[in-house]
Amino acid sequence: DGGITQSPKYLFRKEGQNVTLSCEQNLNHDAMYWYRQDPGQGLRLIYYSQIVNDFQKGDIAEGYSVSREKKESFPLTVTSAQKNPTAFYLCASSILGQFYGYTFGSGTRLTVV
Amino acid sequence: AQTVTQSQPEMSVQEAETVTLSCTYDTSENNYYLFWYKQPPSRQMILVIRQEAYKQQNATENRFSVNFQKAAKSFSLKISDSQLGDTAMYFCAFTVYNAGNMLTFGGGTRLMVKP
Repeated sequence: DGGITQSPKYLFRKEGQNVTLSCEQNLNHDAMYWYRQDPGQGLRLIYYSQIVNDFQKGDIAEGYSVSREKKESFPLTVTSAQKNPTAFYLCASSILGQFYGYTFGSGTRLTVV
Repeated sequence: AQTVTQSQPEMSVQEAETVTLSCTYDTSENNYYLFWYKQPPSRQMILVIRQEAYKQQNATENRFSVNFQKAAKSFSLKISDSQLGDTAMYFCAFTVYNAGNMLTFGGGTRLMVKP
């Protein structure tokens, strides 16, 4: 079955550490997105990519980095520069030009310890 | 900038009754698409319903329907015959035609269905 896989489901980060969240899709979707969700709040866009080897900053890109070396994969690195990384992270994908919304992954809960 | 506002942070409804969740948005574009997503306790985001702005007819999906008022920039979700499984966060979102499919989300409404 096609879908988006995010891993790990739970991730713990020590102060000063970089961590990478994985997002893989087998839907042949062009575009992929990373959102951050804080408790009781909506989704805020971190980065998005519409094509391989190209990506754009969203509203809250500071302290994060991404890559898009393959169409299927869009990993997110939370760097030590992100001062408040504890949140729920959602990856999504869509077909450009078809406005049927996103397919979402199941999310990664990142906690700073 | 596009914005989406959900003015009801929390709502509750008795099982089998009807509830309406509010959403307003702001855009200068004329061609756009609106969505309601459900996020149950599992946190998996599920598409509930979709509306194309150029269609005047309100979208319906089984017990879910919308009241789309383009001039007022309002897009409310009505849930009929509420079920316990409808307990979730509900997010309103939209994208404009030339925005690369990027969705802008509202802050969400937490809905509790009571037995």
